[in-house]
Amino acid sequence: DAKTTQPTSMDCAEGRAANLPCNHSTISGNEYVYWYRQIHSQGPQYIIHGLKNNETNEMASLIITEDRKSSTLILPHATLRDTAVYYCIVRVLNTGFQKLVFGTGTRLLVSP
Amino acid sequence: EPEVTQTPSHQVTQMGQEVILRCVPISNHLYFYWYRQILGQKVEFLVSFYNNEISEKSEIFDDQFSVERPDGSNFTLKIRSTKLEDSAMYFCASTEGGSGQPQHFGDGTRLSIL
Repeated sequence: DAKTTQPTSMDCAEGRAANLPCNHSTISGNEYVYWYRQIHSQGPQYIIHGLKNNETNEMASLIITEDRKSSTLILPHATLRDTAVYYCIVRVLNTGFQKLVFGTGTRLLVSP
Repeated sequence: EPEVTQTPSHQVTQMGQEVILRCVPISNHLYFYWYRQILGQKVEFLVSFYNNEISEKSEIFDDQFSVERPDGSNFTLKIRSTKLEDSAMYFCASTEGGSGQPQHFGDGTRLSIL
């Protein structure tokens, strides 16, 4: 699986958009970008995933650059409850099981 | 929304004792996983399980570890003779199966070895 690089930490004001970048310059054509987050002491929570098109769901939007070497997770209106560690994971999409390889992620702090 | 449930939330055990961590995956899910997270460190993959067999395991998952799906709902992780370094959060996850389905995690069991 391709390696990812994320900033160690970021701050965001409550109500503002949080834009979390991820670099995955060695991504290959059959690898997807997944985002998970881990709120303090809880299990990782799936947020969104995508291949090359931008994706949006009720939690967030995922913007993937045309060359697919980087992506940005957008939380449009961050709340205090969005304070968490955010993980960008690149993995091959195939049938069946596949482990997730977690890095150190980005620690997002949302402040009032 | 269906969720993965884990029990107990906190387990304290003497070194050398056996411990069983329990998980109830989401009911229609077919693939099951255990991960662990030592305090302050990354989440690490331990094992994946499908069709009553281990499909992949990490180097951490040595002979002291075993997994079982004893009935149609539970998925367990057993550590035969615990060591101090087994102290960690243990997370169970499940996925429906098929390409790209996300893994859904429980809130973990905190295992403390004394």
